[in-house]
Amino acid sequence: SQKIEQNSEALNIQEGKTATLTCNYTNYSPAYLQWYRQDPGRGPVFLLLIRENEKEKRKERLKVTFDTTLKQSLFHITASQPADSATYLCARDNYGQNFVFGPGTRLSVLP
Amino acid sequence: EAGVTQFPSHSVIEKGQTVTLRCDPISGHDNLYWYRRVMGKEIKFLLHFVKESKQDESGMPNNRFLAERTGGTYSTLKVQPAELEDSGVYFCASSLEGRISPLHFGNGTRLTVT
Repeated sequence: SQKIEQNSEALNIQEGKTATLTCNYTNYSPAYLQWYRQDPGRGPVFLLLIRENEKEKRKERLKVTFDTTLKQSLFHITASQPADSATYLCARDNYGQNFVFGPGTRLSVLP
Repeated sequence: EAGVTQFPSHSVIEKGQTVTLRCDPISGHDNLYWYRRVMGKEIKFLLHFVKESKQDESGMPNNRFLAERTGGTYSTLKVQPAELEDSGVYFCASSLEGRISPLHFGNGTRLTVT
């Protein structure tokens, strides 16, 4: 089955800096990748979707890239704020049937 | 629009008992998914309904788990009899169309089996 790895369990950065989170996948390239945010005690909330033929996608302070050669997606938060502190999840389609989630990266933005 | 709601938010039961979790998806969403996260692990797929039909139940761990979606609206997930390893957070999600549509998650049911 498909597998997703996220580079680190936790990431601490200073407020105002850019946070970069990594998602690596195995086997075939998914048709698209999705990124979600999860706060403690809540369900994941959808943020962005990027298709395999898109190199980059932006939404406000968020940017996602998709590199099928490296089998990797990068998720960037620019001008980070303490309110951005949360766990960020990467998800890929699994043969178009369902979604496989990575373990998540817990981001802490320090004031 | 109202989001995905799950009930109960918490459940503590003894090993061998039965528990039924409920999920109300966003109105009009034909696709309904059940996922769960056990301690320290990633969120894992259990099954997928399209309307009232089970599209994919490849993630159901064993026959102690039974999911239903009568009438294509709300769904229930029953665990009978519960075992200790069933403890975790059970999430329900719905989407307008399958595949590429974003998933809208509920806040989950935290199940503790003692």
